[in-house]
Amino acid sequence: DADVTQTPRNRITKTGKRIMLECSQTKGHDRMYWYRQDPGLGLRLIYYSFDVKDINKGEISDGYSVSRQAQAKFSLSLESAIPNQTALYFCATSGGRPYGYTFGSGTRLTVV
Amino acid sequence: KNEVEQSPQNLTAQEGEFITINCSYSVGISALHWLQQHPGGGIVSLFMLSSGKKKHGRLIATINIQEKHSSLHITASHPRDSAVYICAGLLSYNTDKLIFGTGTRLQVFP
Repeated sequence: DADVTQTPRNRITKTGKRIMLECSQTKGHDRMYWYRQDPGLGLRLIYYSFDVKDINKGEISDGYSVSRQAQAKFSLSLESAIPNQTALYFCATSGGRPYGYTFGSGTRLTVV
Repeated sequence: KNEVEQSPQNLTAQEGEFITINCSYSVGISALHWLQQHPGGGIVSLFMLSSGKKKHGRLIATINIQEKHSSLHITASHPRDSAVYICAGLLSYNTDKLIFGTGTRLQVFP
């Protein structure tokens, strides 16, 4: 099994729908992140969490919310999806120095 | 202007060639990551370095903190090295937040 598992891998949804992307990890890391990747742009940080009670906004949090249900689970929700949220979404964990980052396989989301 | 710039954006090579991908950054960072993204989309961490040089197999990463520059070298390139290579600056060990370059797309032909 992958260290960081994202579900679903692909999703097509309609404008205005609520959608949740899920992430679970077996690394035992406290730090978890949601990033978004758009063509021609670097990955950008949406939200990050250091533990269940510590949730922080990233640079592009508008239109998104998150839930840290447990140390191992960090979910990203789009409350009312819009077409410009079409992107590749990555969950990642960090064990801090010197362990570095572990990324999930990504969720390709299309909003039509 | 991006705070993390990579060059070139696209790179084509013949199998066996020596490859260099460059990364320059204009923000203060605690360390720099080199990541590999395969066509399927998944991202794998190759290196995290804060000084000097690291080597893993045919991959070598170097960083010059004073010049705010890092390079990723691939020796004896192979078609399976075809991927997008991304450098990312670690803004702080306290948060582990990353700031990403836009990637270099490498294609290695047999």
